[in-house]
Amino acid sequence: EADIYQTPRYLVIGTGKKITLECSQTMGHDKMYWYQQDPGMELHLIHYSYGVNSTEKGDLSSESTVSRIRTEHFPLTLESARPSHTSQYLCASSARETGELFFGEGSRLTVL
Amino acid sequence: RKEVEQDPGPFNVPEGATVAFNCTYSNSASQSFFWYRQDCRKEPKLLMSVYSSGNEDGRFTAQLNRASQYISLLIRDSKLSDSATYLCVVNRGSARQLTFGSGTQLTVLP
Repeated sequence: EADIYQTPRYLVIGTGKKITLECSQTMGHDKMYWYQQDPGMELHLIHYSYGVNSTEKGDLSSESTVSRIRTEHFPLTLESARPSHTSQYLCASSARETGELFFGEGSRLTVL
Repeated sequence: RKEVEQDPGPFNVPEGATVAFNCTYSNSASQSFFWYRQDCRKEPKLLMSVYSSGNEDGRFTAQLNRASQYISLLIRDSKLSDSATYLCVVNRGSARQLTFGSGTQLTVLP
């Protein structure tokens, strides 16, 4: 089993609040990802990290930000949550460039 | 046109049936290919990579046709536990260049 963890699993929060979704992996993977997935829809990459202090935005525009200060930790932050941010956020990591990703269980965010 | 297209289904099949899914991709420069499985309200999990020569893992067989730009997944002797959404994933060159299909939903009926 993959060792990648996300917290919180579920979050219901009011508009305008700041939120941080945590993601940690214990596999020593350099590459980490944040994907966004709405029900029944494709996964879309919103952030990517090659390694410590290396992050870049993904294909889907997102108002969220990320940081990668430690190899194992890749948190995602929304400064001011809005209802349009309601979605599932999936964190993943990989050791290789090919596309074999390990996913966390996801964080379901609902913004009221 | 979407970069990766899958028949959304749902495919409802009886236990023991053989079922096949196709996935087409539009970028001929795509380099590697995968099938992931995603259970309802869960995270995707890698099912198998797809190699040019085709590959088999137990009841699952994956094939790649570069000329026609499609990949396929064959499931033999379907089990109830195979019920899930199967995601086709295409890599255009690096790990950040993965494109996920929207998935094909399979329900195996008793």
